[in-house]
Amino acid sequence: DSGVTQTPKHLITATGQRVTLRCSPRSGDLSVYWYQQSLDQGLQFLIQYYNGEERAKGNILERFSAQQFPDLHSELNLSSLELGDSALYFCASSAEFTSGRYNEQFFGPGTRLTVL
Amino acid sequence: DAKTTQPPSMDCAEGRAANLPCNHSTISGNEYVYWYRQIHSQGPQYIIHGLKNNETNEMASLIITEDRKSSTLILPHATLRDTAVYYCIVRLSRAVGFGNEKLTFGTGTRLTIIP
Repeated sequence: DSGVTQTPKHLITATGQRVTLRCSPRSGDLSVYWYQQSLDQGLQFLIQYYNGEERAKGNILERFSAQQFPDLHSELNLSSLELGDSALYFCASSAEFTSGRYNEQFFGPGTRLTVL
Repeated sequence: DAKTTQPPSMDCAEGRAANLPCNHSTISGNEYVYWYRQIHSQGPQYIIHGLKNNETNEMASLIITEDRKSSTLILPHATLRDTAVYYCIVRLSRAVGFGNEKLTFGTGTRLTIIP
């Protein structure tokens, strides 16, 4: 158990719909990362938040957005869903420098999104 | 971040040492080698990282060649639970929060432990 929680575990929806994925980082971790894993693209970084502010963007579509709330949990919003958005979505969190284990990212169990 | 090359798949007998190679010939002097693994469809899990010295922790050992152009992850006594995809990632070690700490995953090595 990494300490990172994600809900829901599975999500099945239809094309054109909108969904929200939720992530709670490990206690005290300020940085949250979202990754997408699809069969054809592998694991890809989407976006990072640090203490409520967006810090980095990767290959995130304009139909996708995210935010990090004052309690540090994060949500990834996916809209106008297409079949190709079906994937595993992982959230990770990272602590500040401690004992040389800094930059280790702790991943949640993921949300499996199926778009029909 | 430097590019890495790993074999797509490997087998290892249970109880034996699993040695997973990684080539990173374009690594720069201040880039670290990180290893993560992903068991089935679970979230990736950090294993170990190093700069130039060999490293060991409770999970594995990391051997980095003197020229740092390649490394080997060693699982000393592989068990069936070590069956996973192993990713070698090379990048700078960055302070958290500056916006450049993303992990760039390649295709990894699918390690299968044979009973």
